[in-house]
Amino acid sequence: KNQVEQSPQSLIILEGKNCTLQCNYTVSPFSNLRWYKQDTGRGPVSLTIMTFSENTKSNGRYTATLDADTKQSSLHITASQLSDSASYICVVSAATGTASKLTFGTGTRLQVTL
Amino acid sequence: NAGVMQNPRHLVRRRGQEARLRCSPMKGHSHVYWYRQLPEEGLKFMVYLQKENIIDESGMPKERFSAEFPKEGPSILRIQQVVRGDSAAYFCASSPNKPNTGELFFGEGSRLTVL
Repeated sequence: KNQVEQSPQSLIILEGKNCTLQCNYTVSPFSNLRWYKQDTGRGPVSLTIMTFSENTKSNGRYTATLDADTKQSSLHITASQLSDSASYICVVSAATGTASKLTFGTGTRLQVTL
Repeated sequence: NAGVMQNPRHLVRRRGQEARLRCSPMKGHSHVYWYRQLPEEGLKFMVYLQKENIIDESGMPKERFSAEFPKEGPSILRIQQVVRGDSAAYFCASSPNKPNTGELFFGEGSRLTVL
């Protein structure tokens, strides 16, 4: 069964600090992995999409890594800001099939405080 | 270029009534997806449509739920005879290509509350 597990479930950090969110998956065959940011009461917004051959991809203060051998991904946030407070969702796509083959993690809820 | 538009943003229904949620995809997108999100839980796939066709409805409950994406107009998710367990946020997403090849663009969601 395809699964995506994220850790930690929730995280509180001080403004300006760095943090790393983890995503482990068992989706097969693998196509790509996406990280989304979902603000409270809003729809998810894409941060990065990573394919099998990509190890690292950055989007501003967000850097995602992918290890296809261990089936792990991480999202590193540098110099956190209050606006980074949100849920971060890892989504893994299988190489075949339709939308049902997008497996969503339950997200990591990040709170950045003063 | 407007994003994915969903309405209503909030909907309150009494048990037994019908709920209709609408989704207009981004311009040029012909693939539409509906997801349900319960409080404190992740997004759960419901149905994938491509203009006038249901491609994958493996996530749809067998009864009371239906979806359509007509040639003209928005996609509609219809829930008949709502029950309290239907209370959730319903998100629509669209893409220009098949879902496993590119990015999904999400709307802001429709929050259904069943009294």
